[in-house]
Amino acid sequence: KAGVTQTPRYLIKTRGQQVTLSCSPISGHRSVSWYQQTPGQGLQFLFEYFSETQRNKGNFPGRFSGRQFSNSRSEMNVSTLELGDSALYLCASSKIRASGRIVDEQFFGPGTRLTVL
Amino acid sequence: KQEVTQIPAALSVPEGENLVLNCSFTDSAIYNLQWFRQDPGKGLTSLLLIQSSQREQTSGRLNASLDKSSGRSTLYIAASQPGDSATYLCALLIQGAQKLVFGQGTRLTINP
Repeated sequence: KAGVTQTPRYLIKTRGQQVTLSCSPISGHRSVSWYQQTPGQGLQFLFEYFSETQRNKGNFPGRFSGRQFSNSRSEMNVSTLELGDSALYLCASSKIRASGRIVDEQFFGPGTRLTVL
Repeated sequence: KQEVTQIPAALSVPEGENLVLNCSFTDSAIYNLQWFRQDPGKGLTSLLLIQSSQREQTSGRLNASLDKSSGRSTLYIAASQPGDSATYLCALLIQGAQKLVFGQGTRLTINP
């Protein structure tokens, strides 16, 4: 069974540009979450999607957005890039119980390393 | 607000030793606790998941425990090997929020 895949693996952008990252969850997993990892702040939650709907969002500015498609694949977008957006962006997928809740193991992809110059 | 603390931040031990990594949290309203391993520059590999109703889980040389009443979890690694060198993170799935809250991790080095 294929794991969570993320593309691209590495990106270099300049300030002011925008970027789109992609995540394909494990087959059958319908919840996709995004996290940002930096040396100073550690792992921080960005948002979670289920059934093409954003159900929860972390404390990030509106420049960070995302979406989920009907096949559960997800993309996140960062507009007007800042130096501080340089980070490893991780995507996680999970099954959803009938209650609509995530209660099971979450699996992470290899991440996209974004460098903003 | 849930806060997760991992102590120590770094640990270096000789090969073959048994060791314990600690994770403490402030709010017991959790669905589960997950331990991950992260190699430098890589994604997270799930090691063990403990549901809130469980007390421990085992996988090979790893054993994780959960004590919600005291807000603590431990990850026990038996007979450590150089390949165990990595950063270990604990994360809590908190009720209602559908998100994981992570500790800062323990950077483990196993010396041959």
